[in-house]
Amino acid sequence: DAGVTQSPTHLIKTRGQQVTLRCSPKSGHDTVSWYQQALGQGPQFIFQYYEEEERQRGNFPDRFSGHQFPNYSSELNVNALLLGDSALYLCASSTRGLNEQYFGPGTRLTVT
Amino acid sequence: EDKVVQSPLSLVVHEGDTVTLNCSYEVTNFRSLLWYKQEKKAPTFLFMLTSSGIEKKSGRLSSILDKKELFSILNITATQTGDSAVYLCAVEVISTSGTYKYIFGTGTRLKVLA
Repeated sequence: DAGVTQSPTHLIKTRGQQVTLRCSPKSGHDTVSWYQQALGQGPQFIFQYYEEEERQRGNFPDRFSGHQFPNYSSELNVNALLLGDSALYLCASSTRGLNEQYFGPGTRLTVT
Repeated sequence: EDKVVQSPLSLVVHEGDTVTLNCSYEVTNFRSLLWYKQEKKAPTFLFMLTSSGIEKKSGRLSSILDKKELFSILNITATQTGDSAVYLCAVEVISTSGTYKYIFGTGTRLKVLA
């Protein structure tokens, strides 16, 4: 039973570029949440997707957008990258109504 | 604004020591509190606490929640070098629409010396 998977593992982008990160939830899970974790900080909630809709959003600008597909996988898109977007991006999946979220290994994004 | 605060920020101990990590919170619509261990990338689940005063134990780790005073502690006894990690506390809050999210603290970085 595969856990949460994310791709790519790491990538380097230039300021102003756009990036797409991908997440496949744990088998049986239908809810995907995205987090940004800057160095030395705890994860910050970006948004959550369920039934292909954004259900809740944290304090992130509109440059951060997402999508959930019918198979429950999800994408995180970031436009007009800033240096401050450099972070570990974590995806977590869960079953709606249950507390425990399972985290993927993350994507390390570096913006130069 | 919802807030989760962990202390200490970092801690260095020797193998065999006992450590206590703290997590306090101020949130609306509390649902649960969770502890995670983060060694390299993915946080791994340790405990979920929903009721006050009920200790959860797993081997040398234990945790308890006080919903009146709004805090939780994570204890690790007989520490080992493999316990070296960042320990994250997260509080699950639920919105009026029924959706939920986690609010994380900044974590406590624990280093166990041999």
